[in-house]
Amino acid sequence: QQKVQQSPESLSVPEGGMASLNCTSSDRNFQYFWWYRQHSGEGPKALMSIFSDGDKKEGRFTAHLNKASLHVSLHIRDSQPSDSALYFCAASDPGTQVVGQLTFGRGTRLQVYA
Amino acid sequence: DPKIIQKPKYLVAVTGSEKILICEQYLGHNAMYWYRQSAKKPLEFMFSYSYQKLMDNQTASSRFQPQSSKKNHLDLQITALKPDDSATYFCASSPRTLSGNTLYFGEGSRLIVV
Repeated sequence: QQKVQQSPESLSVPEGGMASLNCTSSDRNFQYFWWYRQHSGEGPKALMSIFSDGDKKEGRFTAHLNKASLHVSLHIRDSQPSDSALYFCAASDPGTQVVGQLTFGRGTRLQVYA
Repeated sequence: DPKIIQKPKYLVAVTGSEKILICEQYLGHNAMYWYRQSAKKPLEFMFSYSYQKLMDNQTASSRFQPQSSKKNHLDLQITALKPDDSATYFCASSPRTLSGNTLYFGEGSRLIVV
């Protein structure tokens, strides 16, 4: 079973609209979460990290973490065509014996149309 | 300019052959990693290195051997290639190997084994 599950698999929003992406972990040891974005032909780039319960806002991007439900979300307001990409949720276990391991979800493909 | 340089960007290899994937990072980071992305699986952690020492190996096969000749280099040698090795291999780095560090990824080396 995937330890990090993302939904939806794909999402289409109009330019200027709000995109909402979800991520749920099945491992209670995961305490740190990241959102990464990958454009076609490129490597993943970190958008933001969130380690504490609540909201974290960076520009048009807002992440929300609820550790009790192991749920993290990403909301993109005023979506732009350049936001069209594959978005990954990634998690790490601070107590893991494996150094530097991030566990990734399968991703949500976002399409922003004009 | 990319701060993590991976070479080659694309390569096609014959089953049974050997290839080396090159990675150099110019972020001044002390920790480097290899991850693999294939159509069948999400991004998977393979190796972690810190100060040129292997910290963790989550790759089941000894056919995959990381090599670090300099602090900012981490190459990946793959021997006896199989079609299942076809994937995009990403090199990544972080300031340290602490679990709260953000990983920075290169653009990847896409390997096709025929």
